Amino acid sequence: AQRVTQPEKLLSVFKGAPVELKCNYSYSGSPELFWYVQYSRQRLQLLLRHISRESIKGFTADLNKGETSFHLKKPFAQEEDSAMYYCAALQGAQKLVFGQGTRLTINP
Amino acid sequence: DTEVTQTPKHLVMGMTNKKSLKCEQHMGHRAMYWYKQKAKKPPELMFVYSYEKLSINESVPSRFSPECPNSSLLNLHLHALQPEDSALYLCASSQETNSFADTIYFGEGSWLTVV
Repeated sequence: AQRVTQPEKLLSVFKGAPVELKCNYSYSGSPELFWYVQYSRQRLQLLLRHISRESIKGFTADLNKGETSFHLKKPFAQEEDSAMYYCAALQGAQKLVFGQGTRLTINP
Repeated sequence: DTEVTQTPKHLVMGMTNKKSLKCEQHMGHRAMYWYKQKAKKPPELMFVYSYEKLSINESVPSRFSPECPNSSLLNLHLHALQPEDSALYLCASSQETNSFADTIYFGEGSWLTVV
């Protein structure tokens, strides 16, 4: 079955430390992959997508086809990065399939 | 206006009630979605409307009935729900459904409790 896996439910790092949120996928070919973020009391919003290869709020994610991974990285964590992060893949052109999510906490 | 607006924010209903969740967007998007999110779980797709026609139904029970009256509105009619249907219901929209480049925009959701 096609799946998106986020192995860490919780991740806690100190402010200023590097952050890496892991995401692995089991889709064949070149899936369309995304990272969505949900800050406290806010709506789910797109953080970045692999096709645009951009950096948003200091976060980057590289698609590694060999490892079937799309890990989200930031070199220096900030307190405002604390949120729920979902990796997602587009199945067909219409269905967004989410991983289980990782709750990131940045400690001061 | 770059928002998807959902009403009500909170709804408590009995198992014999009939209620509706509403969703509105004024971004000119032609694809609209309903997702269900249980506590501490990721969102799961329920329905997709493309150009006001139902294009995906993820085997959702018939007690959930979607409706797309026009390109800006999406409703979810609820009837004879079960307590396990209690969840956050998210509406979303995107420019169209056949472009991998489109961003999907989510509403804040409607918290539904079935008693």
